[in-house]
Order: sequence, then structure tokens, then C-alpha cells
Amino acid sequence: KNQVEQSPQSLIILEGKNCTLQCNYTVSPFSNLRWYKQDTGRGPVSLTIMTFSENTKSNGRYTATLDADTKQSSLHITASQLSDSASYICVVSQARGKLQFGAGTQVVVTP
Amino acid sequence: GAVVSQHPSWVICKSGTSVKIECRSLDFQATTMFWYRQFPKQSLMLMATSNEGSKATYEQGVEKDKFLINHASLTLSTLTVTSAHPEDSSFYICSARDNYGGTYEQYFGPGTRLTVT
Repeated sequence: KNQVEQSPQSLIILEGKNCTLQCNYTVSPFSNLRWYKQDTGRGPVSLTIMTFSENTKSNGRYTATLDADTKQSSLHITASQLSDSASYICVVSQARGKLQFGAGTQVVVTP
Repeated sequence: GAVVSQHPSWVICKSGTSVKIECRSLDFQATTMFWYRQFPKQSLMLMATSNEGSKATYEQGVEKDKFLINHASLTLSTLTVTSAHPEDSSFYICSARDNYGGTYEQYFGPGTRLTVT
């Protein structure tokens, strides 16, 4: 069973609208949680990294939240742009351990 | 941020031939590099972990004799797909970990698209 579950699997949003992606994890012990953006045919690019003590972190129009007690994270995209069309991957890291990847949420922004 | 490059970005080869993919950390030393495989609409799957100067550690189900990994320097790791078959067609992504300074941050390469005909 995957230790990192993402929802929805995919979503379509209109340009300019906001959206929120969800990530639930069971990975333990927990070191940090990362959100990556992966464009088609490209490698993942880091958006945010949060440790246990951080509740929120922003990177431009991307805002990630983390609730370490409930083991949930979200990624909010504000005022979406066409270039936001990509797969967004939630990754949980154990201390010095390998990364646990979610399956990703495929976001399509339409004009 | 740190930069990781891969070469080639895409390659087409005939069944039965071998293909080598290079992964380089351009502005930092990476004691550890990782190789991932990604099939369409799926997430990254770790194939192996390589540490500079030692043998790679392969994940369960990954054939070490088929996917040869060499990590001869702190900035270069290579993955050789030997006797490639069409089912090996996939997107191969490497990442390099910055073990110095305590960050343990992994930086991903842009990926290599392998098509075996």
C-alpha cells in the first residue's frame, strides 16, 4: 500500500481560478514533506519543503500547508496560469531515508 | 538551486543493444545518486541507490545485471541498460543528493526518454 496518497488524481480548472490538492501520508518517522511540479517529459522541480514544525510555506502563487498531527498536507494554487498545467507530486522523506512518492495529481489549466 | 543534468535527453535503440545514460551534478558534490523509472501517468519508482566508490543498492525486483550503475566520481553516475527490450522503454530520472551541510536535499535531473524498438 502506498504510504503517500494524493487526491484528486486529476483536475481541470479555468485559467485564473484557484485550486487545492491534497496529500495524506502514513510514512513514519517523518523528516520533511515536499511538493514537486513535474512538467510532461521533464524531471520534478521542487516547489516547497516543510519540516515537522512548519505549518505553511509559500513559493509565489503556490502555498503548501502541513498538519503533522493528522498527517495531511495541501498545495494551493492561486490565480492559475496555463503554465501551471503539470503533475504535482507529494513526497515524504524519512530521516536520511529514501523518498516516498505520491502518484501525483495531474492539473490541466484551460483558457 | 543545484543543477543536475542528464545525457542524452532521449534515445532510441534497437532491441538487444545497450544504452548508457549519464547523470551529472554540475555545481555540487553528490556522494549519493538515485535512479528512478517512470511509466506514463505513474509516479517515480526508485530503481537503485548509488554511493560514490561503492556498489549500488538495488530495489526489490530490479535486475542488477540488466541495469548497471557506476558512480565513479562525486559528480557523475551512469546507468547502462543492457540488452534492452521494448518493455524497458520508459522515462529514466536521476537525482543527486547533497550530503554536505546536512541538507540531504535531492535534486532531480531532467530525465531521459528511452524508446526500444
